[in-house]
Amino acid sequence: AQSVTQLDSHVSVSEGTPVLLRCNYSSSYSPSLFWYVQHPNKGLQLLLKYTSAATLVKGINGFEAEFKKSETSFHLTKPSAHMSDAAEYFCVVSDMNRDDKIIFGKGTRLHILP
Amino acid sequence: ETGVTQTPRHLVMGMTNKKSLKCEQHLGHNAMYWYKQSAKKPLELMFVYNFKEQTENNSVPSRFSPECPNSSHLFLHLHTLQPEDSALYLCASSQELRGTRNEQFFGPGTRLTVL
Repeated sequence: AQSVTQLDSHVSVSEGTPVLLRCNYSSSYSPSLFWYVQHPNKGLQLLLKYTSAATLVKGINGFEAEFKKSETSFHLTKPSAHMSDAAEYFCVVSDMNRDDKIIFGKGTRLHILP
Repeated sequence: ETGVTQTPRHLVMGMTNKKSLKCEQHLGHNAMYWYKQSAKKPLELMFVYNFKEQTENNSVPSRFSPECPNSSHLFLHLHTLQPEDSALYLCASSQELRGTRNEQFFGPGTRLTVL
């Protein structure tokens, strides 16, 4: 069975400082991993996706994530936070070729301090 | 219009009403999904359709009835709802249900309030 854990329900950073949103997963097989962002009163938007190609994945809006199999982690980072990054972020895991469900994390609310 | 659209964006209904939520995707995808997003709860997958066939029903009460007439349209028919059903209902689609093209594209959601 697979699962995903977002270690922080809230993260606050100052504008212009780095962002780190943590995600750990468990999967028996080769996972697909995703990060989605949800701004208030909006649907979820795909930020980036990992599917066993390069372990460092670049996404939209300057975000990137690194797949670390030894640590079962897929943390999301951005070098410099912008006020528009304030939103909820979801880490998602699915097993590419199996009948397991796609699993969403509980989300991390990112606050940007001026 | 592109992407995934949902109508209405907001809906207020009484417990005895019958209403329907509509989702349409313009991406040529084969799989479609309904999710429920309540405050302070994880996103809950409700139903999954693949090539118009329902492949997943996550123990959703029968007062929620999905319909998928074709790969581009998905409906959620609502009747005799409860106040705890108030939530944001999100529709999503993906090219494939599994495999390398299973990333989901979401609509903006319907904010449902049950009085």
